[in-house]
Amino acid sequence: QLQLRESGPGLVKPSETLSLTCTVSGGSISGSRYYWGWIRQPPGKGLEWIGSVYSSGSTYYNPSLWGRVTISVDTSKNQFSLKLTSVTAADTAVYYCARRDRLYDILTGYSPGWIDAWGQGTLVTVSS
Amino acid sequence: DIVLTQSPGTLSLSPGERATLSCRAGQTVSSSYLAWYQQKPGQAPRLLIYGASSRATGIPDRFSGSGSGTDFTLTINRLEPEDFAVYYCHHYGTSPGTFGPGTTVDIK
Repeated sequence: QLQLRESGPGLVKPSETLSLTCTVSGGSISGSRYYWGWIRQPPGKGLEWIGSVYSSGSTYYNPSLWGRVTISVDTSKNQFSLKLTSVTAADTAVYYCARRDRLYDILTGYSPGWIDAWGQGTLVTVSS
Repeated sequence: DIVLTQSPGTLSLSPGERATLSCRAGQTVSSSYLAWYQQKPGQAPRLLIYGASSRATGIPDRFSGSGSGTDFTLTINRLEPEDFAVYYCHHYGTSPGTFGPGTTVDIK
């Protein structure tokens, strides 16, 4: 059974870089059917898509985080990672890693689809 | 990005009743690229519906999705105690895609 598990520091200082890793077990990250990505949820609030990566390394990012976010994939370790630079208190959230179906549309090509698997989430607090 | 609005914000019902949740998009959602998720306190969301009306694997048939264009509905027939949770709709197929603000279904 597919499992995703986030790991990384739970506390990050303002202006520093948030780094998280998602380890995937029970399935290969190298498959052609899925994107892999990150979603966050500030305490008591809704969901925000951060970005996604395909096994080839191609990425999609939320424009609201453009310039601060990098998502990369390591197929040899079956892991993918998130780096978010210059964090502020507004980046405090539960961060989820997730798997997204890979859609194909004849007009627009491939794009990320629905989210069919989630990690359990990890709380990252930005504070000095 | 397409803005999603969910209503009502909170729905107070009793076990055994039917829940009808609405998700309205600010623009037409192409190809019915609309999903629904359930989230319980302290847990990650869980996929219920994708493609507006297709149930995900293992989801009971009391959950159903419908709609197209800009108006979508999640219906939960005969609410079970474990169905009281927050429900989010999600537009995908474009980057980054957007989530609705959620509807809380709580026990009356």
